[in-house]
Amino acid sequence: DTAVSQTPKYLVTQMGNDKSIKCEQNLGHDTMYWYKQDSKKFLKIMFSYNNKELIINETVPNRFSPKSPDKAHLNLHINSLELGDSAVYFCASTRQGAREQYFGPGTRLTVT
Amino acid sequence: GENVEQHPSTLSVQEGDSAVIKCTYSDSASNYFPWYKQELGKRPQLIIDIRSNVGEKKDQRIAVTLNKTAKHFSLHITETQPEDSAVYFCAATLREGGADGLTFGKGTHLIIQP
Repeated sequence: DTAVSQTPKYLVTQMGNDKSIKCEQNLGHDTMYWYKQDSKKFLKIMFSYNNKELIINETVPNRFSPKSPDKAHLNLHINSLELGDSAVYFCASTRQGAREQYFGPGTRLTVT
Repeated sequence: GENVEQHPSTLSVQEGDSAVIKCTYSDSASNYFPWYKQELGKRPQLIIDIRSNVGEKKDQRIAVTLNKTAKHFSLHITETQPEDSAVYFCAATLREGGADGLTFGKGTHLIIQP
């Protein structure tokens, strides 16, 4: 009965590849997010998405794109992976008007 | 956009003493300020939060204060225990549950010395 889940937990891939990270929440939340945590532990918002709007952090390269097949899922697609993309990626969700953002367990992406 | 500064980056205190972590934000429109605790290899977890219409909030050994005029807020942990050792992040956002996400500070590594 995990609230926010991500797959895979670890992802090791080579430069230039295209990969996806999946996120699912079973809380009935209507807003989902992707955050990137780099090697210095800095947490940075990448995308915010609900059924009305997608907000993209202007610093995110367009090689990254969120895809939401339904309200419970927000997947992250990354094209042409680069070394600098290595990080832990966290998915999170919240209910419109609520307070707490629930974070997934994270996906550690390593690009070699 | 919003910018959140957090200090110190590392804080070492003796077990039983108090710890204080401070943050400032830039956007006066921000109105929700959560604090997250992240243990090694784990996800960030909300420990306390405060809205802009409140100056102080307390939950057992942790408390948060907010000064909207000065645009700064602080986390206070009293009677620290070994399990308080973790990285703590402050954050700010314009709307609770809104689609604009959280802007985080750079984190404070809190070390509790036995």
